[in-house]
Amino acid sequence: GDSVTQMEGPVTLSEEAFLTINCTYTATGYPSLFWYVQYPGEGLQLLLKATKADDKGSNKGFEATYRKETTSFHLEKGSVQVSDSAVYFCALSLYSSASKIIFGSGTRLSIRP
Amino acid sequence: DAGVIQSPRHEVTEMGQEVTLRCKPISGHNSLFWYRQTMMRGLELLIYFNNNVPIDDSGMPEDRFSAKMPNASFSTLKIQPSEPRDSAVYFCASSPPGGGKGEQFFGPGTRLTVL
Repeated sequence: GDSVTQMEGPVTLSEEAFLTINCTYTATGYPSLFWYVQYPGEGLQLLLKATKADDKGSNKGFEATYRKETTSFHLEKGSVQVSDSAVYFCALSLYSSASKIIFGSGTRLSIRP
Repeated sequence: DAGVIQSPRHEVTEMGQEVTLRCKPISGHNSLFWYRQTMMRGLELLIYFNNNVPIDDSGMPEDRFSAKMPNASFSTLKIQPSEPRDSAVYFCASSPPGGGKGEQFFGPGTRLTVL
């Protein structure tokens, strides 16, 4: 079935370090791909998305590129800040499922000052 | 614009009591989702509605859980009777017609503690 696999956390980095959170997917169709972020005590919010192969989504310094050949959508940021500490969820949506989203298990990121 | 509104934000109850969680989706959105989040199981989709009709309730854990959407601006998730293992954060989310290309807008959640 359709699924999303992302790297286990927690991930702890120092401020200004480079971040990569790996995400791979399995889907029967041509999904849209997303990264959602959950800050402490809040609901999830969309961080970025890509709707077709080779698209790059970007927001707040974060980027992810839709790689169909490797079925991946890795999240990257060149220089993380303490305020980036949160849980990050990779997700996919198949139009055949209306707006239902399949989420990965989440990766907790902590940034040290 | 107001986002998704959930109430209450926190609920503490005793085992066996009925619990009702409420959600008001964003105006104009026609899909509504209920999720449960725990440390052990992560984020789970319980049920979702499209145009007020339940589409997929396969994630509802058991008959103690029920959800309704009487109109486009209101939904409830009820647990009767509640058990300690129901303790979790419950999120409601909505999305616009056409699925918004998959984007969902989440509420702040209701933290439920069953003693």
